Amino acid sequence: KAGVTQTPRYLIKTRGQQVTLSCSPISGHRSVSWYQQTPGQGLQFLFEYFSETQRNKGNFPGRFSGRQFSNSRSEMNVSTLELGDSALYLCASSLGIGQTNTEAFFGQGTRLTVV
Amino acid sequence: AQSVTQLGSHVSVSEGALVLLRCNYSSSVPPYLFWYVQYPNQGLQLLLKYTSAATLVKGINGFEAEFKKSETSFHLTKPSAHMSDAAEYFCAVSEGPGGRRALTFGSGTRLQVQP
Repeated sequence: KAGVTQTPRYLIKTRGQQVTLSCSPISGHRSVSWYQQTPGQGLQFLFEYFSETQRNKGNFPGRFSGRQFSNSRSEMNVSTLELGDSALYLCASSLGIGQTNTEAFFGQGTRLTVV
Repeated sequence: AQSVTQLGSHVSVSEGALVLLRCNYSSSVPPYLFWYVQYPNQGLQLLLKYTSAATLVKGINGFEAEFKKSETSFHLTKPSAHMSDAAEYFCAVSEGPGGRRALTFGSGTRLQVQP
């Protein structure tokens, strides 16, 4: 079955703009998490959505937000972009429930460059 | 609070040699531990996971890891390196087995395989 799909793969934005990234989880998965990967800070947890509700949040400013739709697809939004927001944004999906829900599966990421 | 330390940001081995990537963790609860691999411009692929069952865990591509509670370690090994193993490897910890739990990642180890 298809894996986690993130669109777009690459994005270039200007400081001050806003951006929306999209993630389609594996079919049947109800949980979507977002991570930011930068050379300086490494991989950091942004937030997790399950059943259209944000359930967990990392230590990021309010400029970073997200939502999840009824079909489990998720979007992440970053407003008032800063140069430091340049990163690879990774989405991960998991079942969300059940005994086999032990791992998250990652997409290929969206490479955001802020200029 | 939980954290992960990966010793050695770069490891170089010869093709056919033993691969040993070190990971130490800190967790206030029984940890769930994961090793992920990342190829250039790609997302994360799960190599193996420890979820409180057997302490020696076998993963994909010939990798395995041993959970040692007394040493708070979860080192990744492979008996014989292959050129295709060249990638970045991340150790991660979560507070529970669920795929919804936020992962805390180490800073990564880049593995280079020399011919």
